Amino acid sequence: AQTVTQSQPEMSVQEAETVTLSCTYDTSENNYYLFWYKQPPSRQMILVIRQEAYKQQNATENRFSVNFQKAAKSFSLKISDSQLGDTAMYFCAFMKPFSNDYKLSFGAGTTVTVRA
Amino acid sequence: KAGVTQTPRYLIKTRGQQVTLSCSPISGHRSVSWYQQTPGQGLQFLFEYFSETQRNKGNFPGRFSGRQFSNSRSEMNVSTLELGDSALYLCASSLEGGPSSYNEQFFGPGTRLTVL
Repeated sequence: AQTVTQSQPEMSVQEAETVTLSCTYDTSENNYYLFWYKQPPSRQMILVIRQEAYKQQNATENRFSVNFQKAAKSFSLKISDSQLGDTAMYFCAFMKPFSNDYKLSFGAGTTVTVRA
Repeated sequence: KAGVTQTPRYLIKTRGQQVTLSCSPISGHRSVSWYQQTPGQGLQFLFEYFSETQRNKGNFPGRFSGRQFSNSRSEMNVSTLELGDSALYLCASSLEGGPSSYNEQFFGPGTRLTVL
């Protein structure tokens, strides 16, 4: 079974600043996908960014980027130029693709508050 | 294209009752997954359906069941409700997923179930 650990329950950042969220995971798989999901107070879960384990290049999506360290089993999310709309709970998640075990395994989440 | 819809959005039940939640996936999506979100246990996978068949199941008691119809709409049922079943139930749909492909999961807004 895969486990995903987010050790920071809450983070606070000033608008326009940068914040980094940590995530570690445990798996014996070699091929897998990692994700960061955002859940704002409206509760709608939204995919922020995805990383395939076989790709060495770190994924980026506009102001969001990841630092993927496969050997260390670490997958952090950096939010640059934070905006008020980034206030949300962020979940790190793991999936083993191309299998019948088609499900997301989530971490406990990190609540991010962006201050004006 | 309309997103994933879940009905009802809010539900209040008493212990011992049963409840049925509904999820309509994005048009063309054939895979529907269900997740339970609670403050204590976080986000946990319940089950996944594809082409009317349960393809994967999480570690939940038999009181939790589901089904998928030929139009890909899915329902989940919880019988003999317990206080601990109070949670946000999220549904996610994707094109296929499973052993043949990876497809992004799109989440619905959730159903908030309160058991009194």
